Amino acid sequence: GDSVTQMEGPVTLSEEAFLTINCTYTATGYPSLFWYVQYPGEGLQLLLKATKADDKGSNKGFEATYRKETTSFHLEKGSVQVSDSAVYFCALSGGDRGSNYKLTFGKGTLLTVNP
Amino acid sequence: EPEVTQTPSHQVTQMGQEVILRCVPISNHLYFYWYRQILGQKVEFLVSFYNNEISEKSEIFDDQFSVERPDGSNFTLKIRSTKLEDSAMYFCASRSGTLSYGYTFGSGTRLTVV
Repeated sequence: GDSVTQMEGPVTLSEEAFLTINCTYTATGYPSLFWYVQYPGEGLQLLLKATKADDKGSNKGFEATYRKETTSFHLEKGSVQVSDSAVYFCALSGGDRGSNYKLTFGKGTLLTVNP
Repeated sequence: EPEVTQTPSHQVTQMGQEVILRCVPISNHLYFYWYRQILGQKVEFLVSFYNNEISEKSEIFDDQFSVERPDGSNFTLKIRSTKLEDSAMYFCASRSGTLSYGYTFGSGTRLTVV
């Protein structure tokens, strides 16, 4: 079945530092890839997505590129802010056509940004 | 922007009691899901629902769990006889027929079984 492996962290950075959170996946088909963010005490919010190989998803300064050759979807941001402190989840959907397109999540990466 | 609404935000129940978690998905969405997140752990798929029936369920979704869409707007998750290990955050999600638009999640219901 489908699976997602992401850097578990926690990751602690200073404001304006560069962020990378690694995510790799295993899927039988051609999945869509997502990054979700969970701020403290809140639900899951879609951060960005990519639906096919070489697509780049971007939002709020975050970017991730769908790399089929390396089965990766690493999240990057050039300059993090304190307000980016949250848990970040990599997820995929649609890899297994029989899966009804449920989301399969990685374990999440806690990011703390210090002023 | 359309939202998925979940109620209650927090529920405390005694072991062995029945609970119903409620969700109002986005009105023109066709696919509905429940996920759970045990504290500090990954988000896990429970069940998907389409065309008024369960389309897929995980191993977690045993006979103690059931889902309903009773009136075309609400989407409920019932746990018949709660166990301590059911304590978790439960998320409802919905999506349109087009996968590329992604899923919209509710803010979750934190269930605490004591």
